Amino acid sequence: KNEVEQSPQNLTAQEGEFITINCSYSVGISALHWLQQHPGGGIVSLFMLSSGKKKHGRLIATINIQEKHSSLHITASHPRDSAVYICAVRRGSEKLVFGKGTKLTVNP
Amino acid sequence: NAGVTQTPKFQVLKTGQSMTLQCAQDMNHNSMYWYRQDPGMGLRLIYYSASEGTTDKGEVPNGYNVSRLNKREFSLRLESAAPSQTSVYFCASRDSLSSYEQYFGPGTRLTVT
Repeated sequence: KNEVEQSPQNLTAQEGEFITINCSYSVGISALHWLQQHPGGGIVSLFMLSSGKKKHGRLIATINIQEKHSSLHITASHPRDSAVYICAVRRGSEKLVFGKGTKLTVNP
Repeated sequence: NAGVTQTPKFQVLKTGQSMTLQCAQDMNHNSMYWYRQDPGMGLRLIYYSASEGTTDKGEVPNGYNVSRLNKREFSLRLESAAPSQTSVYFCASRDSLSSYEQYFGPGTRLTVT
């Protein structure tokens, strides 16, 4: 079993829909990261959180440490949100363990 | 600032050939990382360097060597390439004194035939 599991693997939505991507992990962590990989391949960091909730624009990330679960929400989705969203957990100070990613396609 | 740069962007090697992937960052970051990304798998850490002059193995170090040439540069060397090393390679860096956020390079797509 992978240490980090994401669901769904693929997600197709219509523009304007509310989107949720889930991440579950099986080990103790220092923090959890959400990243976005653009269709061209570039990877950018979206959030890092160790408790509660963070919001940036239309993106919201939550984490429940007791349940070992995090969600990434996108409100009012747009075609430019189409990307692969990656969950990663940090153990210690240097190492990240990554999920396989969720490929999101938002159709106009 | 260019951020994290990687060269080359694409490379095709024959089995047994060697090559070095170059990575440089201009953000004065202490920590640098090499990952590989394969279809159907998450990014996996090959090697990392927590500071200039130090390197440590990650999850999948076999078949690779690294050099932290100075604070800016962290290179990844394949001494004898194998088809199993066909992958997309990403370099990343982090300011270990102030943040856990990693900044990624654009990636190198390597094919070994």
